[in-house]
Amino acid sequence: EAQVTQNPRYLITVTGKKLTVTCSQNMNHEYMSWYRQDPGLGLRQIYYSMNVEVTDKGDVPEGYKVSRKEKRNFPLILESPSPNQTSLYFCASRGRFYEQYFGPGTRLTVT
Amino acid sequence: TQLLEQSPQFLSIQEGENLTVYCNSSSVFSSLQWYRQEPGEGPVLLVTVVTGGEVKKLKRLTFQFGDARKDSSLHITAAQPGDTGLYLCAGPNDMRFGAGTRLTVKP
Repeated sequence: EAQVTQNPRYLITVTGKKLTVTCSQNMNHEYMSWYRQDPGLGLRQIYYSMNVEVTDKGDVPEGYKVSRKEKRNFPLILESPSPNQTSLYFCASRGRFYEQYFGPGTRLTVT
Repeated sequence: TQLLEQSPQFLSIQEGENLTVYCNSSSVFSSLQWYRQEPGEGPVLLVTVVTGGEVKKLKRLTFQFGDARKDSSLHITAAQPGDTGLYLCAGPNDMRFGAGTRLTVKP
């Protein structure tokens, strides 16, 4: 089954404690991205990757890092999380017709 | 930056009613996508409209792309509780989304 997986689904952490949210897709897509979703603000792109070792900033990259060492994986790293990064995060991969496939989401709470 | 404005922000209707939600921009889009997001899940693509004036139907859902390719609408006929969710429009080229219309269909 074609899918995007994310882990963990839920995460509660404290300010400053580094964390990584994993993302993996099995569709051999080149383009992947991370979004955060906040009430009233919709989906905002954090980072995207057009292929292995090629990443670029989206609209809200501050406080986040990504890496793309393999085509299927695109982890999101928060080196020093802060409460304003409490949000719902989605990983997505994009098909050849620009259709996006989203993961199930990771709900992050930073206290 | 191509901004997408969606209206209404919230919509609550009774089962069986018809509704239309809108996606507008001041920019021209080469194509527009509509997604539906259910609680606790990621958005799922419903349709992509490409040609100005294009109309696509997906069962009880009708999608229209404006002639000038700056706006799009989604019309649902005889809404059902299963249509409840957040409807998002997106511009595929720059991967930007509108804030969405949250639809609730009451039995």
